[in-house]
Amino acid sequence: DQQVKQNSPSLSVQEGRISILNCDYTNSMFDYFLWYKKYPAEGPTFLISISSIKDKNEDGRFTVFLNKSAKHLSLHIVPSQPGDSAVYFCAAVGNSGNTPLVFGKGTRLSVIA
Amino acid sequence: DGGITQSPKYLFRKEGQNVTLSCEQNLNHDAMYWYRQDPGQGLRLIYYSQIVNDFQKGDIAEGYSVSREKKESFPLTVTSAQKNPTAFYLCASSSPGGIRNEQFFGPGTRLTVL
Repeated sequence: DQQVKQNSPSLSVQEGRISILNCDYTNSMFDYFLWYKKYPAEGPTFLISISSIKDKNEDGRFTVFLNKSAKHLSLHIVPSQPGDSAVYFCAAVGNSGNTPLVFGKGTRLSVIA
Repeated sequence: DGGITQSPKYLFRKEGQNVTLSCEQNLNHDAMYWYRQDPGQGLRLIYYSQIVNDFQKGDIAEGYSVSREKKESFPLTVTSAQKNPTAFYLCASSSPGGIRNEQFFGPGTRLTVL
């Protein structure tokens, strides 16, 4: 049973526009969320995270929004660039140090020039 | 240069053979993890270790074994009992001192069983 769901396997966006990647979770014990970016044949790299005590975290072109009541988070990329084309994984964890992250299945973003 | 090393990048084995994938980190991280990635399946946890000489099964541990004799090393053995071993394998590590639960990943090993 998937605890972290990314329901859109793929997304295409024009360069310069906004990319919105969505993630839903079912486990109410999750209180910290992370986004990773992955290029083919490489390991994922950390992008941005958010704690459940916040509803927004911003880092340059990347913003993550958290709606706890809906158990939903989203990653906004503005403006989208061709180099953003990758697979994006949403991950979640509960309040316990060094426990494994629970990953979604990923969304493949294609930014078209 | 601190980081996680996985070797080799590509590995080919015959069906029925055991194979060990290497993972080394010089980040002084306590915890290490092994994931498997298949198309459309995301990252699935095989085993993890929070401290030397201790490890726990993840969601898909069957057919795999690990050891954690040193803090820096967490090798994964894919045994002949693993029914579908061809996949991209990722090792990761984390430390409570950094961004909470941020895991650093290695470059991965693509295993192909012929």
